[in-house]
Amino acid sequence: GESVGLHLPTLSVQEGDNSIINCAYSNSASDYFIWYKQESGKGPQFIIDIRSNMDKRQGQRVTVLLNKTVKHLSLQIAATQPGDSAVYFCAEISLSGGSYIPTFGRGTSLIVHP
Amino acid sequence: ETGVTQSPTHLIKTRGQQVTLRCSSQSGHNTVSWYQQALGQGPQFIFQYYREEENGRGNFPPRFSGLQFPNYSSELNVNALELDDSALYLCASSWGAAETQYFGPGTRLLVL
Repeated sequence: GESVGLHLPTLSVQEGDNSIINCAYSNSASDYFIWYKQESGKGPQFIIDIRSNMDKRQGQRVTVLLNKTVKHLSLQIAATQPGDSAVYFCAEISLSGGSYIPTFGRGTSLIVHP
Repeated sequence: ETGVTQSPTHLIKTRGQQVTLRCSSQSGHNTVSWYQQALGQGPQFIFQYYREEENGRGNFPPRFSGLQFPNYSSELNVNALELDDSALYLCASSWGAAETQYFGPGTRLLVL
């Protein structure tokens, strides 16, 4: 999840475990949410998205859950692998002047131990 | 890889100098967005260009400016550099202004 401070929230898991990364968003009018994965030295990589009229969306090994009542988003990664180690960002999207402007959270660092 | 490229990969400047960063969008993409990512933070939106016109701007001062060219590549210019401008600058391209953005690897700028 998100937190104040200089250090990213960190989630450490063992290879093969399931991981759950949480995100609290701020704008109840946001109509689109995206999870990005950022590996060291690289730009963010799109993982999965979900529209505000959905509660759940599944991809390959990933599931995103959206709870609009409490403005909470989660990313579940099944059978976590060492290659999943990265910083994960949620982004909320608000339509502004005809463009989608994503607002990113601070990110969560996922560390997968072999 | 996304097909979005950025140059240079790293850059060192001193306070007060000016810098130009470049981005080549993925083939077929007509929209480029620029972000600043400070260490340990998420990317912060600077501005977006759609078909060579600015199409949205974040909370950044006017010394941050940009251009988009007919081939949809883009430049980010920062004047009067400050120490706090040290960050990773990310470019993202998309098929349109409201479509999913794909990020390049970034340019790491250090201002001394």
